[in-house]
Amino acid sequence: NAGVTQTPKFQVLKTGQSMTLQCAQDMNHNSMYWYRQDPGMGLRLIYYSASEGTTDKGEVPNGYNVSRLNKREFSLRLESAAPSQTSVYFCASSEDRGDTEAFFGQGTRLTVV
Amino acid sequence: QKEVEQDPGPLSVPEGAIVSLNCTYSNSAFQYFMWYRQYSRKGPELLMYTYSSGNKEDGRFTAQVDKSSKYISLFIRDSQPSDSATYLCAMSSSSNTGKLIFGQGTTLQVKP
Repeated sequence: NAGVTQTPKFQVLKTGQSMTLQCAQDMNHNSMYWYRQDPGMGLRLIYYSASEGTTDKGEVPNGYNVSRLNKREFSLRLESAAPSQTSVYFCASSEDRGDTEAFFGQGTRLTVV
Repeated sequence: QKEVEQDPGPLSVPEGAIVSLNCTYSNSAFQYFMWYRQYSRKGPELLMYTYSSGNKEDGRFTAQVDKSSKYISLFIRDSQPSDSATYLCAMSSSSNTGKLIFGQGTTLQVKP
């Protein structure tokens, strides 16, 4: 049982380049999330999807787009990368009952130079 | 001011010590309170979960929530070197349990 799988694990981009971070979960969860983690800032929500076909902005959505391709997959796209987007990105999924937890992937370390 | 404040540490204690980790928050709508543990270069994993006020105990770990003071705590008894990690408090105002507001995280080192 893989849980939440993110690809790639590491990436270096030049300013202005684009890329897509992939996330897939095998727990049949309805909701999926993208967070970024920066030193001294904790994790901050970028976008989330409560169900297939729906997406909503989180705390820090600027510069990102997302796609909920199906129930399993939720991708995050950087159209024109900036150095301020250097961060560790985490995908998560949950069942959305009050007594359940969110499961996180292993993270993607992105550096924009 | 951040909605959730957490002392980032680092915190270094000897093996066997009692550790106290704390968070304060400003949003009175928060109802779900969690502690996640994150090992270096790994994703966060849920450690403790509490709904509304009260205490919850799980082995060496105790979570406390005081909604009147907007203050939550995590206590670790008989700390072990394997407890060395970053501890993140997280909160939510809905049952959408992945839509969380996190504290900054406290880095804990337990020395043998």
